[in-house]
Amino acid sequence: QQQVKQSPQSLIVQKGGISIINCAYENTAFDYFPWYQQFPGKGPALLIAIRPDVSEKKEGRFTISFNKSAKQFSLHIMDSQPGDSATYFCAASWAGSARQLTFGSGTQLTVLP
Amino acid sequence: GAVVSQHPSRVICKSGTSVKIECRSLDFQATTMFWYRQFPKQSLMLMATSNEGSKATYEQGVEKDKFLINHASLTLSTLTVTSAHPEDSSFYICSASGKKYEQYFGPGTRLTVT
Repeated sequence: QQQVKQSPQSLIVQKGGISIINCAYENTAFDYFPWYQQFPGKGPALLIAIRPDVSEKKEGRFTISFNKSAKQFSLHIMDSQPGDSATYFCAASWAGSARQLTFGSGTQLTVLP
Repeated sequence: GAVVSQHPSRVICKSGTSVKIECRSLDFQATTMFWYRQFPKQSLMLMATSNEGSKATYEQGVEKDKFLINHASLTLSTLTVTSAHPEDSSFYICSASGKKYEQYFGPGTRLTVT
């Protein structure tokens, strides 16, 4: 019940295209859903996060869509750039678990020039 | 803001020795710090959760006598890998959270045990 399932495992997008990564969760107690971006040999960087009281959050080219009834959330990267090539992790947490993050398995994004 | 540093960034040690990794929150007070381990092309695996001034809580399967965690202040946590062996070679990452939900990660430490 603590799992967060992420898909696809890898994604190749042309420059300027839209990258979409999906995550699904089971634990309805989760109340915080961040996305992290990780480059090789670096720690994950917080990209954008959402709480379940809103259905969408946008920051620049990055948008989170959240569907509470379906227990799904997704990351959309608009106008994808080669510099966006990285591994993206979705995650979820709730207060009852000391805010430990439950991570998805990651998506390797490659944006072709 | 919300910067977390780790030191060293990479370390090579001989089998049987101990290695200490420091994690610091530079611009906020971290009530909770977390230590993760990450294998190539895999997700992050939580090793332990620590709160300032109290003992760390270890995840199932993580040897607390091998991976010693100390959270002495609101800005510093250390992970000591004792009697390191080649199978302990990995990428170790810490994270820190303050009063809100956000968790910020350090740049990671690449440990190689020869």
